[in-house]
Amino acid sequence: QLQLQESGPGLVRPSETLSLTCTVSGGSVSSSSYYWGWIRQPPGKGLEWIGSMYYSGSTSYNPSLRSRVTMSVDTSKNQFSLKVTSVTAADTAVYYCARLGNNAYYYYMDVWGKGTTATVSS
Amino acid sequence: DIVMTQSPDSLAVSLGERATINCKSSQSVLYSSNNKNYLAWYQQKAGQPPKLLIYWASTRESGVPDRFSGSGSGTDFTLTISSLQAEDVAVYYCQQYYNSPLTFGGGTKVEIK
Repeated sequence: QLQLQESGPGLVRPSETLSLTCTVSGGSVSSSSYYWGWIRQPPGKGLEWIGSMYYSGSTSYNPSLRSRVTMSVDTSKNQFSLKVTSVTAADTAVYYCARLGNNAYYYYMDVWGKGTTATVSS
Repeated sequence: DIVMTQSPDSLAVSLGERATINCKSSQSVLYSSNNKNYLAWYQQKAGQPPKLLIYWASTRESGVPDRFSGSGSGTDFTLTISSLQAEDVAVYYCQQYYNSPLTFGGGTKVEIK
């Protein structure tokens, strides 16, 4: 059974870089059948798609975040990662990694991690 | 961006009664070449990640009880819970995957009356 687990520092200083990792178990991030994504949810608010990527390293980002976001994959560790630069309080959220239900950037998410909270504060 | 608008923001339904949630997209999410609506529904219980319920507007994900059903086409969609159970208390979101950026509705909170 595929499981995803996010990890990263819970607290990030303003203007610094938020770095998160999603570890895939019970399956392979190198699968040609799926894309992988990040979604975030500010406290008490709705869901925002951050971006999607393929194991080859190709990516698609939300235009609202594109200038500050980088997604990457480490197939040897069966992980994919997210970096958000120049963070502000508005980046405080629960960050979820997820599997997209097919090999496409734009799809529904059929498996989700439990989420990790990232707080931006000095 | 395709804006997804859900209504109502919240609703309270008696156990065993029907709950209906609406989702409207700012442009059609029906892809004419395959006649599929690129619309999904999720359930999010308190403190948990979202769970996929419905995709292609009306296809139930494996393991989802058949009291959950999705309908609609083009720009107007509905999620129906035919007989509300206590475990259905949650926030429900619609999502379009027709194009980038993927966007979600604002959510509908379902409670027991």
